[in-house]
Amino acid sequence: DTAVSQTPKYLVTQMGNDKSIKCEQNLGHDTMYWYKQDSKKFLKIMFSYNNKELIINETVPNRFSPKSPDKAHLNLHINSLELGDSAVYFCASSQPGRGEGYTFGSGTRLTVV
Amino acid sequence: EDQVTQSPEALRLQEGESSSLNCSYTVSGLRGLFWYRQDPGKGPEFLFTLYSAGEEKEKERLKATLTKKESFLHITAPKPEDSATYLCAVQDPGGYNKLIFGAGTRLAVHP
Repeated sequence: DTAVSQTPKYLVTQMGNDKSIKCEQNLGHDTMYWYKQDSKKFLKIMFSYNNKELIINETVPNRFSPKSPDKAHLNLHINSLELGDSAVYFCASSQPGRGEGYTFGSGTRLTVV
Repeated sequence: EDQVTQSPEALRLQEGESSSLNCSYTVSGLRGLFWYRQDPGKGPEFLFTLYSAGEEKEKERLKATLTKKESFLHITAPKPEDSATYLCAVQDPGGYNKLIFGAGTRLAVHP
């Protein structure tokens, strides 16, 4: 029954590895997002897709590559992981114009060692 | 540059002790201001959207208000279960429904 689900919840990996985080929403929303929350709890947007089309691509290293196979799914692949990539990554979805705000997933805590 | 500043960073209250959290913003042409609640280990949970100065919204012990430069989240007679981080965000006027978040206020309510 979960509205926005992301997997895995925890990810511990070594520097230099490649990893992926998956996100799915069952709300029928057209727009999905990836946000990064750093150790100071600041939430900062990384990417947004509207109906499978990339519409926001913030200043993010090109080691990060989002993919949206359909409007219910948005994945994030990270190449050559670095220590500074350690953070909590949140997926979210929204239906623009409804004023309901985003619905967030529960987050993926990525730790790079 | 569009910014959102929340104060205080942390707030400790006794149960029943009412208080307010502040969110000040600098954005040209506000398209929406959002309040979220975030519990440890969870994603932010949507509380309110405000669009224009003078607007107010309420939910249980929480009331959000908006002026032209800031928003307040008033907590009346809080309970320990209100303990959480409260996040404020504004919609980026550039469109695409992008939200700019503040750093949040960590609220702890003690019995």
